[in-house]
Amino acid sequence: EVQLVESGGGLVQPGRSLKLSCAASGFTFSDYNMAWVRQAPTKGLEWVASISYGGSNTHYGDSVKGRFTISRDNAKSTLYLQMDSLRSEDTATYYCARHSGLGYFDYWGQGVMVTVSS
Amino acid sequence: DIQMTQSPASLSASLGETVTIECRASEDIYNGLAWYQQKPGKSPQLLIYNANSLHTGVPSRFSGSGSGTQYSLKINSLQSEDVASYFCQQYYDYPWTFGGGTKLELK
Repeated sequence: EVQLVESGGGLVQPGRSLKLSCAASGFTFSDYNMAWVRQAPTKGLEWVASISYGGSNTHYGDSVKGRFTISRDNAKSTLYLQMDSLRSEDTATYYCARHSGLGYFDYWGQGVMVTVSS
Repeated sequence: DIQMTQSPASLSASLGETVTIECRASEDIYNGLAWYQQKPGKSPQLLIYNANSLHTGVPSRFSGSGSGTQYSLKINSLQSEDVASYFCQQYYDYPWTFGGGTKLELK
């Protein structure tokens, strides 16, 4: 069974940093592209970033480009999202998701809440 | 960026009814479209990919169709467990974008 478990969320002040983790199990992590998708409270979904199975290719949404960094450790089957210069508009539930080579997300984690507030 | 316009924003239907949700892209996305279901308090789940392919384990009452810029999700014989929000997503081009969602409730 595919499992994705996020951690590292919480309350952080504007301008500060936070790092999210996603522990994967139930599949060969190093064979799959991975992504982060977020959802602001009572809002829709927003793709944040993606990384290729080997880690060499990354893509970012316009709203986080230059501030967030996606990375992975295939030996630990873990995905990361380093979030710097956080803003109030980054407040959201962040989901880790496995995605196909094409770009749809076939499995999602349960999500982790990030609140940016002073 | 490709804009995804989803309609209606909310929908009320009766058990057993057939429901259709529409998604329009701002340009041709060549069937690079997925549909997700999100139940209250839960994470999204993939229903349909490549516009009309059913994801593993998804009931056959769900189906997707469309081409070019116009796509739709149909739910036949609505069940109580289908109460959820539904989102479309294009993955034809970066940045990948989602529709605003459709909240489906029981009448």
